Amino acid sequence: QVQLKETGPGLVQPTQTLSITCTVSGFSLTSYYMQWVRQTPGKGLEWMGFIRSGGSTEYNSEFKSRLSISRDTSKNQVFLKMNSLKTEDTGVYYCARDQGLPGTVLFDYWGQGVMVTVSS
Amino acid sequence: DIQMTQSPASLSASLGETVTIECRASEDIYNGLAWYQQKPGKSPQLLIYNANSLHTGVPSRFSGSGSGTQYSLKINSLQSEDVASYFCQQYYNYPLTFGSGTKLEIK
Repeated sequence: QVQLKETGPGLVQPTQTLSITCTVSGFSLTSYYMQWVRQTPGKGLEWMGFIRSGGSTEYNSEFKSRLSISRDTSKNQVFLKMNSLKTEDTGVYYCARDQGLPGTVLFDYWGQGVMVTVSS
Repeated sequence: DIQMTQSPASLSASLGETVTIECRASEDIYNGLAWYQQKPGKSPQLLIYNANSLHTGVPSRFSGSGSGTQYSLKINSLQSEDVASYFCQQYYNYPLTFGSGTKLEIK
């Protein structure tokens, strides 16, 4: 069955870089877009960006200058890296699968999320 | 960016009641709208897409409607397992944006 699981550090210092890995099973990364969404106390749910089944990426301009999404299809993993972290980046980070229905961008499977606290 | 304004922020209703949650977009999103349910401590789950299509496995007491800039989620015959927060999401245009959520409780 389809499963997604994020792993990452619980605590990151301000100005440092956040790295999160999303490991998937039950489907191929070459068949689906993979999305990243975060949920923060200040802004709620925010779409961050995605990586297409072909490997190209798109980012929310809110994060564009400091966000990078990549993948390793051989390991069924998608990676999020965001630099220059601030305390406002504290929140839960989710990877989610894009269902792939034409004309839509829907998240049909989500990971359990990883809580990230930005603090010194 | 398209702003999604969701109301009410919180809602308390009795078992068996019908509740409605509203979502207003800052511009026409041409039915490019989804609703998600997020139970406490869990990740969001897709309920409705294309404003009124029920996602696979979602109980039929959930329904969506609307057009243009105004959309709503209705839950008939409220059950205890419906206690959750509900979010709308527009996918008509990037960046994808979400409503601020409605927290539903049982009276």
